[in-house]
Amino acid sequence: QSALTQPPSASGSPGQSVTISCAGSSSDVGAYNSVCWYQQHPGRAPKVIIYEVSKRPSGVPDRFSGSKSGNTASLTVSGLQADDEADYYCSSYAGSDNLAFGGGTKLTVL
Amino acid sequence: QVQLQESGPGLVKPSETLSLTCTVSGGSMTGYFWSWIRQPPGKGLEWVGYILYTGFSRYNPSLKSRLTLTVDTSRNYFSLRLNSVTAADTAIYYCARHPPVPEFRQGFDYWGQGTLATVSS
Repeated sequence: QSALTQPPSASGSPGQSVTISCAGSSSDVGAYNSVCWYQQHPGRAPKVIIYEVSKRPSGVPDRFSGSKSGNTASLTVSGLQADDEADYYCSSYAGSDNLAFGGGTKLTVL
Repeated sequence: QVQLQESGPGLVKPSETLSLTCTVSGGSMTGYFWSWIRQPPGKGLEWVGYILYTGFSRYNPSLKSRLTLTVDTSRNYFSLRLNSVTAADTAIYYCARHPPVPEFRQGFDYWGQGTLATVSS
């Protein structure tokens, strides 16, 4: 059982926006600004697309945005494109040099 | 361009030890944290542990009693040894780099392609 809870699936049509949640606790998501989001295409290694809750690495489109409220973090993908279809994972520092991942959300572009 | 490449046996018998190596090329290991992350087939990610270039290490509490990470910066590789394996340890094992900032804040910026380790008799 993952420490962080994500919906198993999400979907949207091209051009639409979709938001994926990542629910944690006051010991992880709520306690630290260390939430990251990863995109993983089938057969590929994950790629970080959001770090420190809302920052984007160089090269990641601004269609991807992150936020946090209380113990829940969110990833919003705007202007959905076919290539956005992938699995998305959140992670958060959980104290004592430990890192927790969410169970992953499969995003389908309809 | 930093590249990471995992290597090791693809099949391990139950109760034996899983040994994997991650070779780093295109950059120095100095100044960075080096992690192992695993993913059971069709399932989510699990952080296994990290080792700093100095040899300082931290492990996932659920694996701590069975896990050892080592590093050799002169030969640009780090290694994982997981003993007393069971079928539950079957997974794709990724090695990854993260910057020297606290709390994993910037995430893992470089990953290996992953190697499948299967525990089966």
